[in-house]
Amino acid sequence: QKEVEQNSGPLSVPEGAIASLNCTYSDRGSQSFFWYRQYSGKSPELIMSIYSNGDKEDGRFTAQLNKASQYVSLLIRDSQPSDSATYLCGVPNAGGTSYGKLTFGQGTILTVHP
Amino acid sequence: KAGVTQTPRYLIKTRGQQVTLSCSPISGHRSVSWYQQTPGQGLQFLFEYFSETQRNKGNFPGRFSGRQFSNSRSEMNVSTLELGDSALYLCASSETVNYGYTFGSGTRLTVV
Repeated sequence: QKEVEQNSGPLSVPEGAIASLNCTYSDRGSQSFFWYRQYSGKSPELIMSIYSNGDKEDGRFTAQLNKASQYVSLLIRDSQPSDSATYLCGVPNAGGTSYGKLTFGQGTILTVHP
Repeated sequence: KAGVTQTPRYLIKTRGQQVTLSCSPISGHRSVSWYQQTPGQGLQFLFEYFSETQRNKGNFPGRFSGRQFSNSRSEMNVSTLELGDSALYLCASSETVNYGYTFGSGTRLTVV
């Protein structure tokens, strides 16, 4: 089992719709979770962090965490073509390691079409 | 606040050569991590430095090494380059891993 897995893509949604991105992790000891957005040819950009069970909202983005199910998701409301990118779920200390390591899922490519 | 600065942005090297990449973290960030990103393997952790000490290392051969200076600037070195080392190398800095990492723009290395 991979340490961090994301729902397979690519994901295509129409403009204005809700895009739902999912991530599961294997290490029950993980305490913080991050969503990065990476545009083609660019580096990853941190867009959301979540530490507690429940929802965290920031503008059009909502991160949801369920530690019992080892599941974290990212919802993008009112999706825009500018949201088209690869979204990466990153988990520190996943797999029982420590110090400075983020383990990333393989990424989900999101395309928002007009 | 200035972001994470990586130099150079692009590099073309020949097999067997060595290369050194540089990273200046965000001011005040003492943790610096390096990642390799390829289309096939995604983002893979190389190593992390904190206060000039390597605290964690990923599953890469010994040809990959790094160091951190007293001002938190970091370098990574790859010796005896192989074609498979062609990748985007990303540096990221943080106050602590639990706050997330900010990535630099990366160095795209091409080995021919």
